[in-house]
Amino acid sequence: EIVLTQSPGTLSLSPGERATLSCRASQSVSSSYLAWYQQKPGQVPRLLIYGASSRATGIPDRFSGSGSGTDFTLTISRLEPEDFAVYYCQQYGSSSLTFGGGTKVEIK
Amino acid sequence: EVQLLESGGGLVQPGGSLRLSCAASGFTFSSSAMSWVRQAPGKGLEWVSVISNGAGSTYYADSVKGRFTISRDNSKNTLYLQMNTLRVEDTAVYYCAKNRGSGTYSPLDYWGQGTLVTVSS
Repeated sequence: EIVLTQSPGTLSLSPGERATLSCRASQSVSSSYLAWYQQKPGQVPRLLIYGASSRATGIPDRFSGSGSGTDFTLTISRLEPEDFAVYYCQQYGSSSLTFGGGTKVEIK
Repeated sequence: EVQLLESGGGLVQPGGSLRLSCAASGFTFSSSAMSWVRQAPGKGLEWVSVISNGAGSTYYADSVKGRFTISRDNSKNTLYLQMNTLRVEDTAVYYCAKNRGSGTYSPLDYWGQGTLVTVSS
């Protein structure tokens, strides 16, 4: 099973700032099958990024994903008030799909 | 509009069983793999199981392997999760999710609202 470790656990930033979230895999993620999801309190998760760098339908271009192998990054270029949430990475390149533990982006 | 509506959650004693259902609409159900993901209260997401579009491939998290069974009825546009030998640690909101592709190696692009399963004596 591929273990995904997200860092930091919590990121305290102000609106307008840049957010950089990390997701590290215990072994290489096949074909960059890495996705990012956003979850706000009381809401269901929403797919943001798939294939490590492709934005899902309707996702603003301030969200971008990068990386390959074992190291992946989600970047939010300028935080909007609605971006404060928990973000999860997920790998789907093996028969045992796994999520990371999440990074909470909170208002500073 | 894609809609996923879970049902079947509730309170069950340890060792008991439940069957969750997920009624799908707004897309070609038989063309999409489907998944179950759970979230314990105040915790992160945990992938549970996935089934390919034609049910030829199924996979499970180690934590539920041998106890849970995923299945689907493409004629009814419905996904199922049979949960046996339930444990206290299975307590969670269970989400039904649509995979973006027909195979199991695909991300989850739509999620249901979830159904709460509570395992307690």
